[in-house]
Amino acid sequence: DIQMTQSPSSLSASVGDRVTITCRASQGVSNYLAWYQQKPGKVPKLLIYAASTLQSGVPSRFSGSGSGTDFTLTISSLQPEDVATYYCQKSNSAPLTFGGGTKVEIK
Amino acid sequence: EVQLLESGGGLVQPGGSLRLSCAASGFTFSSYAMSWVRQAPGKGLEWVSGIIGSGGNTYHADSVKGRFTVSRDNSKNTLYLQMNSLRAEDTAVYYCARHSSAYYFYSYLDVWGQGTTVTVSS
Repeated sequence: DIQMTQSPSSLSASVGDRVTITCRASQGVSNYLAWYQQKPGKVPKLLIYAASTLQSGVPSRFSGSGSGTDFTLTISSLQPEDVATYYCQKSNSAPLTFGGGTKVEIK
Repeated sequence: EVQLLESGGGLVQPGGSLRLSCAASGFTFSSYAMSWVRQAPGKGLEWVSGIIGSGGNTYHADSVKGRFTVSRDNSKNTLYLQMNSLRAEDTAVYYCARHSSAYYFYSYLDVWGQGTTVTVSS
């Protein structure tokens, strides 16, 4: 099975900072990758799909890039409401594995 | 409004069974693949099981294969997860989620329910 590895597992940044989260697949998944945001105590929410397409309603400060095995989620200017855990997930084949998550906090 | 509402969670003893339901509304249920995703206390998301729109193909994680069965009743707009031989490590919040298309693969989980809690303990 393809493993999805996220880094870092947690980070602390200041409001306005640029934040980058990495997701690496153990084998290529083309661009069949999504990013989800889960705020504390809330349900996960789709942020980005097909590696780089912003889901409707998601602020433009979020962006995704990558293909094959290496992907990134970038928050261009961190806001207090972005405090959450972020997960990547592959969707090209079963199992639809999630990454371990990256917890983002405000410094 | 598109909605998913899970039910059926609760406390069950190890080795016991439970059936989760997920009632869908606000969209043409049969046109979308569906998945179950779980989250153990303080842990990350784990994909569990899924099914295509017609119900013809199902998929299960190795951790639940042979114990869990996903199914759907498109006439009732409802997704199910039959869980047998439950273990302590199955304790989690179980979410149902809609895929963004009828295709199980190459689609994404764009609508999530609020989740139902399953606790396996003696």
